[in-house]
Amino acid sequence: NAGVTQTPKFRILKIGQSMTLQCAQDMNHNYMYWYRQDPGMGLKLIYYSVGAGITDKGEVPNGYNVSRSTTEDFPLRLELAAPSQTSVYFCASSSRAGWMNNQPQHFGDGTRLSIL
Amino acid sequence: AQTVTQSQPEMSVQEAETVTLSCTYDTSENNYYLFWYKQPPSRQMILVIRQEAYKQQNATENRFSVNFQKAAKSFSLKISDSQLGDTAMYFCGYNSGGSNYKLTFGKGTLLTVNP
Repeated sequence: NAGVTQTPKFRILKIGQSMTLQCAQDMNHNYMYWYRQDPGMGLKLIYYSVGAGITDKGEVPNGYNVSRSTTEDFPLRLELAAPSQTSVYFCASSSRAGWMNNQPQHFGDGTRLSIL
Repeated sequence: AQTVTQSQPEMSVQEAETVTLSCTYDTSENNYYLFWYKQPPSRQMILVIRQEAYKQQNATENRFSVNFQKAAKSFSLKISDSQLGDTAMYFCGYNSGGSNYKLTFGKGTLLTVNP
């Protein structure tokens, strides 16, 4: 049972480069989320989606874009990488049924991104 | 906007002893959810315990229990019989009960269990 899968696990980018962080879940969850975790800080919500074709901004969306063409996938795109985007990125998913059964969000293992 | 505050950046405890981690939050909602997540060095986010605001009874999960004080907007986590494997970052989380199931997290408390 894979759960939430994030790729890559590590990546180093140069300033100005672009890349896409991949997130896939196999639990048929409607809700998906992208967080970033800076050193010594909690997780901050970047974007979220309540279903295929529907996305919305979280607390820190600037510099990122998302799309949700399928229920399974929720990629996060960095268009012009900046040093301030150096962070660990977590994808998570959720369902109403899971929420009611004490499984509010399932997290991936994170992607560590460094921008130099 | 809701905020979650964890005022203890780091704590330590001896193995087998009890430790309490603090969390306060700010909200104007009446019904909401509170969580504690554990993040060990492996970086995984693991749900420890959850509390519904409409329930007066404090949640318990084996060695983990909470002290939920709704009027004071306080939600502390007590770990009994601490084990070395409890060493981790602990994040307090809040959800407003809305249909998008978003979570707001505190900055975390690094707990070290010493042998």
